[in-house]
Amino acid sequence: ETGVTQTPRHLVMGMTNKKSLKCEQHLGHNAMYWYKQSAKKPLELMFVYSLEERVENNSVPSRFSPECPNSSHLFLHLHTLQPEDSALYLCASSQAPRASGRYNEQFFGPGTRLTVL
Amino acid sequence: AQTVTQSQPEMSVQEAETVTLSCTYDTSESDYYLFWYKQPPSRQMILVIRQEAYKQQNATENRFSVNFQKAAKSFSLKISDSQLGDAAMYFCALNTGGSQGNLIFGKGTKLSVKP
Repeated sequence: ETGVTQTPRHLVMGMTNKKSLKCEQHLGHNAMYWYKQSAKKPLELMFVYSLEERVENNSVPSRFSPECPNSSHLFLHLHTLQPEDSALYLCASSQAPRASGRYNEQFFGPGTRLTVL
Repeated sequence: AQTVTQSQPEMSVQEAETVTLSCTYDTSESDYYLFWYKQPPSRQMILVIRQEAYKQQNATENRFSVNFQKAAKSFSLKISDSQLGDAAMYFCALNTGGSQGNLIFGKGTKLSVKP
């Protein structure tokens, strides 16, 4: 596997289900991100982990719970979602901003298309 | 607040022709980075080109080039000799570094290429 991978690619769940999205990066990066991409809206940053510590939580509802066990893996745990949470969830990775000292080019995964019924 | 605006929801170009996608942004930072990302129908976001704000020279990557106007806070993407494979959503993004390192994206421009 190369680059950034995400599983599953498609997920349909009911509002009472609990599921998890997985992201794995094979680029030696130490920062990982979750974005939400909804129709007609800009990508929204949800969470940032840099050097395995969460550094950003953009007022995301608690029904989304991230987990970063190491620098290569990132999870997004989902529970009691709402239909408006249906979207494409993108994972990205980069060198940690502090470590790079300059820009951090982000590499994206293919996304998980989530549908909440 | 940092914002990125793409005023063209959709654009169309004839194969082999040239098209320009517009992007304006707003930031109070003096040092920042600008990107154009491409998202084909397969959904994988790919970096097309990047520009560092302190560099006056416009970035170029093969058929892709930018027109960076720092004073006007404008960052347009020109695609020359358009190909069918260029059809995609194009997103302009701003990064001001810092500990968060997050990208601020525009809403995107859907580019269609006509054979």
